[in-house]
Amino acid sequence: DSGVTQTPKHLITATGQRVTLRCSPRSGDLSVYWYQQSLDQGLQFLIQYYNGEERAKGNILERFSAQQFPDLHSELNLSSLELGDSALYFCASSVEPGGNTGELFFGEGSRLTVL
Amino acid sequence: QQQVKQSPQSLIVQKGGISIINCAYENTAFDYFPWYQQFPGKGPALLIAIRPDVSEKKEGRFTISFNKSAKQFSLHIMDSQPGDSATYFCAASMHTDKLIFGTGTRLQVFP
Repeated sequence: DSGVTQTPKHLITATGQRVTLRCSPRSGDLSVYWYQQSLDQGLQFLIQYYNGEERAKGNILERFSAQQFPDLHSELNLSSLELGDSALYFCASSVEPGGNTGELFFGEGSRLTVL
Repeated sequence: QQQVKQSPQSLIVQKGGISIINCAYENTAFDYFPWYQQFPGKGPALLIAIRPDVSEKKEGRFTISFNKSAKQFSLHIMDSQPGDSATYFCAASMHTDKLIFGTGTRLQVFP
């Protein structure tokens, strides 16, 4: 158990809908990262927050947004969903603000299926 | 230039054999190269990591070989076991930037 909690584990929705994925980082971790995993793309970095502030942005679509709350949990909002958004969405956390200063701890992911 | 290229996409090895997964990068500013292991239904977990000031790091049956001039690094799994069957991701980052992952290698070890 990594200590990172993601909900929901599975989500099935229709095109055009909006969903929210939630992540609770490990106790004490200030950084939260969101990654998208699809079969042919590996792990794609979406966005990172550190202590409530956006720190880095990757290949995140404009239809997607995220935030980190004062209690350090984070939410990833996906709107106007398309079939291609079907994927596993992982949240990871770390103590440090950067990816090269220590281990990232990943949750078990939220599997999104868009029909 | 931000990409990390990983090969092979899949690998089948017999128990007791050596599994080798390769990664290449372009950005010479990368200074941290971890490998993550992912079992089905689980998130990736750190396996082993190396920084460019050393050419090799070994932890048990797992070894990272790093070639700075070629901008390549590889994971070697000695005496591969069925329990090693998983997807392996190489990754890289620079300074305090985010981790960039390779596309993953699905390893199957048959008894």
